[in-house]
Amino acid sequence: NAGVTQTPKFQVLKTGQSMTLQCAQDMNHEYMSWYRQDPGMGLRLIHYSVGAGITDQGEVPNGYNVSRSTTEDFPLRLLSAAPSQTSVYFCASSYGLAGVEQYFGPGTRLTVT
Amino acid sequence: AQKVTQAQTEISVVEKEDVTLDCVYETRDTTYYLFWYKQPPSGELVFLIRRNSFDEQNEISGRYSWNFQKSTSSFNFTITASQVVDSAVYFCALSEANQAGTALIFGKGTTLSVSS
Repeated sequence: NAGVTQTPKFQVLKTGQSMTLQCAQDMNHEYMSWYRQDPGMGLRLIHYSVGAGITDQGEVPNGYNVSRSTTEDFPLRLLSAAPSQTSVYFCASSYGLAGVEQYFGPGTRLTVT
Repeated sequence: AQKVTQAQTEISVVEKEDVTLDCVYETRDTTYYLFWYKQPPSGELVFLIRRNSFDEQNEISGRYSWNFQKSTSSFNFTITASQVVDSAVYFCALSEANQAGTALIFGKGTTLSVSS
């Protein structure tokens, strides 16, 4: 049982490049989320999904796209990277939406130059 | 609007001291959940505790204890006899039952440094 896995662990992009951050979980959780962590800001919700084929926006969705074709995977796409997207990205999954423990992946550290 | 405030940005203590991390929350829901997570220097997020709004009992787990007071909208975390391994960033978070999709609303975190 690997829990929540994220790839890559580190990534450097140039402004304007696109890329996909991968997230997978093997706990059969319906709910998955993406957060970004910036210094002094805590974690902020980017997008979330309540099941395959269903996604919605969180607090800071601009510049990011998501899709959920399977229960296991929830990739986060940066369409045109900007320096403001330099951050640590965490994927999380849970068996419920409110009031349950979120299981977090190890994070992806992204730098946009 | 929902909000979590951790007023203490950084705390430094010497080993064996007791330390309390403050968390104040705002919510209009009557049903909500509060969490504490630990983020050690390695960067992962470690779940510590979950508390629902109907259970105001304090909880103790080893050297950790939590004081939930609805009257002051606070959910404070105390580490007794702190150890160097307690050095980490600690996040308090809120989840509301009636608002879909918010998942967790985090405070900005408190960085705890424990020196030997």
